[in-house]
Amino acid sequence: KNEVEQSPQNLTAQEGEFITINCSYSVGISALHWLQQHPGGGIVSLFMLSSGKKKHGRLIATINIQEKHSSLHITASHPRDSAVYICAVASGGGADGLTFGKGTHLIIQP
Amino acid sequence: DTEVTQTPKHLVMGMTNKKSLKCEQHMGHRAMYWYKQKAKKPPELMFVYSYEKLSINESVPSRFSPECPNSSLLNLHLHALQPEDSALYLCASRESTGELFFGEGSRLTVL
Repeated sequence: KNEVEQSPQNLTAQEGEFITINCSYSVGISALHWLQQHPGGGIVSLFMLSSGKKKHGRLIATINIQEKHSSLHITASHPRDSAVYICAVASGGGADGLTFGKGTHLIIQP
Repeated sequence: DTEVTQTPKHLVMGMTNKKSLKCEQHMGHRAMYWYKQKAKKPPELMFVYSYEKLSINESVPSRFSPECPNSSLLNLHLHALQPEDSALYLCASRESTGELFFGEGSRLTVL
């Protein structure tokens, strides 16, 4: 079974700061997902990665398959980025469910 | 339409009630999922449907009964639930590329 570790668990930063959230996993994967969840809300998929780097607006996600590690970066952070960010991995190529990390609770203060 | 729609958004039920949660997507995705999420915890997989057939049941109690009547619709039938079953129930669908789409969830309270 894959173990997914995220760090930090909690992060408070000032508006405008560069944010990095890390994720490591224990066994090989077919894909890694970065998800965002606002309090009491549903989950939004931010990125799906199997290699390299992806960018969407102020968000950048990278993955190093050899090191079994991924990072999510937020540039020019804003209070609306405050949410829980969850790393989740898919180990198979089929319809298997994800293994989730415990999430990083991010608060961006104005 | 790139949405997964879950209804109802909120449900309060007694332990003797029978109710259902509904999930719908019209993106042609053939894999659909039910997850249960307790407060401040990550989601836990309950069921996976692949091509309208149940492919994974993560040892979920029989008081939860999934149903996939067609490729667009996924139901979760609830009967004789316990207060500890109160949680956010999330539905997701998976594109053939692996990309996931989640619904907003149904928040269930069992009294």
